[in-house]
Amino acid sequence: EAQVTQNPRYLITVTGKKLTVTCSQNMNHEYMSWYRQDPGLGLRQIYYSMNVEVTDKGDVPEGYKVSRKEKRNFPLILESPSPNQTSLYFCASSLENRKETQYFGPGTRLLVL
Amino acid sequence: ILNVEQSPQSLHVQEGDSTNFTCSFPSSNFYALHWYRWETAKSPEALFVMTLNGDEKKKGRISATLNTKEGYSYLYIKGSQPEDSATYLCAFREYGNKLVFGAGTILRVKS
Repeated sequence: EAQVTQNPRYLITVTGKKLTVTCSQNMNHEYMSWYRQDPGLGLRQIYYSMNVEVTDKGDVPEGYKVSRKEKRNFPLILESPSPNQTSLYFCASSLENRKETQYFGPGTRLLVL
Repeated sequence: ILNVEQSPQSLHVQEGDSTNFTCSFPSSNFYALHWYRWETAKSPEALFVMTLNGDEKKKGRISATLNTKEGYSYLYIKGSQPEDSATYLCAFREYGNKLVFGAGTILRVKS
């Protein structure tokens, strides 16, 4: 089944404790992206990747890191989480073609205390 | 920062009503315009990707139009049903660049 998976789905952590949210897709997509969703603000792009070893900042990259060492994986790293990073996070992927839509993962709900 | 605006912010209609929403985006350096449907507790699901000025797309009772020269897209729902209740998101993409979402239009259809 073609899908985007994220883990964990729910996470409660404390300020400053490094964490990684994994994202994996099995559709051989070039384009992958991370978003956060906050009430009233819609989806805001954190980072995106056009292909392996190619990553770029979205609109809200501060406090986040990503890597794209393999085509299928695009982990999101919070080196020192803070309460303002409490949010719902989505990973998405697509073929790198202007007519292609994005496929979203199930979301990861993060609470930073 | 690119600005993508959606209106109205929310909409309450009766079952059977037809409705439409607007997405406004920059008219320069256009690459694609996406529409997504997002139900509570689920992930956004794609409705349409539109790439050419004048594009019209249709899926069942939902259709969309695109005007890249003036920077807007309309989403239409004909004969709304309670199962159409969701948040409808549009997203603008510049060539080879990031995807910027609007804040969405929340639709509630009462039976």
